[in-house]
Amino acid sequence: DVVMTQSPLSLPVTLGQPASISCRSSQSLVKSDGITYLNWFHQRPGQSPRRLIYKVSNRDSGVPDRFSGSGSGTDFTLRISRVEAEDVGVYYCMQGTYWPWTFGQGTKVEIK
Amino acid sequence: EVQLVESGGGLVQPGGSLRLSCAVSGFNVEMYVMHWVRQAPGKGLESISGIRGDDKFYTESVKGRFTISRDNSKNTLYLQMGSLRVDDMAVYYCAREDQLGSADYWGQGTLVTVSS
Repeated sequence: DVVMTQSPLSLPVTLGQPASISCRSSQSLVKSDGITYLNWFHQRPGQSPRRLIYKVSNRDSGVPDRFSGSGSGTDFTLRISRVEAEDVGVYYCMQGTYWPWTFGQGTKVEIK
Repeated sequence: EVQLVESGGGLVQPGGSLRLSCAVSGFNVEMYVMHWVRQAPGKGLESISGIRGDDKFYTESVKGRFTISRDNSKNTLYLQMGSLRVDDMAVYYCAREDQLGSADYWGQGTLVTVSS
């Protein structure tokens, strides 16, 4: 299975400041169709995960534009331009290129 | 409106069995690839099984013990779990795979507790 490695695992942030999470895969996530199926999810305590970003850099409907995704091949980044209180929780990268899906360990974002 | 509603979780003894259901509405379960993802207490997300047409996959730790299936007439996805172990204890989510290669809709999850 593809191993997804996130860093950092804990990220204390100040409201209004930027935040960045890194995700690396153990092999290239470019599928035979040329598309990279790298996604980012956000999970609040007691809730199901919610997808924020698909195919590396595309925001889902309703996701604020302060969230952005970038990267290629095996290295990817999720950025929050200005952290708001509602952004706390755990963020997961997930690859959908290969079965089974695999997720990163999660990055817990909390307000300082 | 798309909805996925899991049920069937509960307390079971080690070695026991349980069947989880995921009743879907707003789409036909037979038209989509469907997955079961679990989350152990305080841990991350783990995809354990998926079904695409007649193809099924299982993560190594549940192979031979869990079986995924669906009933198109009931628009429901199932996960039959057997020989349950303490490390199977988790919240189990069903999720729909969209054309973008990931989960666009998730259920609310059902908790499976394995304990004597």
